[in-house]
Amino acid sequence: SQQGEEDPQALSIQEGENATMNCSYKTSINNLQWYRQNSGRGLVHLILIRSNEREKHSGRLRVTLDTSKKSSSLLITASRAADTASYFCATDPYGNNRLAFGKGNQVVVIP
Amino acid sequence: DVKVTQSSRYLVKRTGEKVFLECVQDMDHENMFWYRQDPGLGLRLIYFSYDVKMKEKGDIPEGYSVSREKKERFSLILESASTNQTSMYLCASSFPQMGPLGNTEAFFGQGTRLTVV
Repeated sequence: SQQGEEDPQALSIQEGENATMNCSYKTSINNLQWYRQNSGRGLVHLILIRSNEREKHSGRLRVTLDTSKKSSSLLITASRAADTASYFCATDPYGNNRLAFGKGNQVVVIP
Repeated sequence: DVKVTQSSRYLVKRTGEKVFLECVQDMDHENMFWYRQDPGLGLRLIYFSYDVKMKEKGDIPEGYSVSREKKERFSLILESASTNQTSMYLCASSFPQMGPLGNTEAFFGQGTRLTVV
């Protein structure tokens, strides 16, 4: 079964706007990760947030985690055309490094 | 710069062929994974390995096998390729998580787009 299931969104935004995407999961976690995938390529790790953290920043990325609701959000501020990609959240529901990914959110940033 | 390298970006094989997908990592990671990615289905785990000669089934192992003879190399084998195995295949590696503060960040290869005709 899939853990880390994003809201199945396809976002289309203008350059400079913010993009927000959400992820929910089912079991307890140690951490939650977000990855980006450019078209036809492998995934690249963006940010990891631990279960005892509520918010984390990395450059233009802001991730929140609500363990009571078993949900996370990824915010990309001041988007750029290069942010056009699919974004996946991932959890480790089995506690054994076996990451489970959601179906991904596709974001298109229009120049 | 850390690297996970998959042997082919694109591959076309015939139904019934035995297909080998190779993955090599240079980060001395214990964990290695094979996923397949299909539109609307996200990434699904086929097999993973925690150590040399060790393998565990993932969510969709049917029709696949794996081999890990050396720590840096993890091979995915399609015993008899079928058209429903046409997909993007992604290899990844990571260190083992050492407790709740561990980091399970995975590093991915560039993917192999396999077409079975």
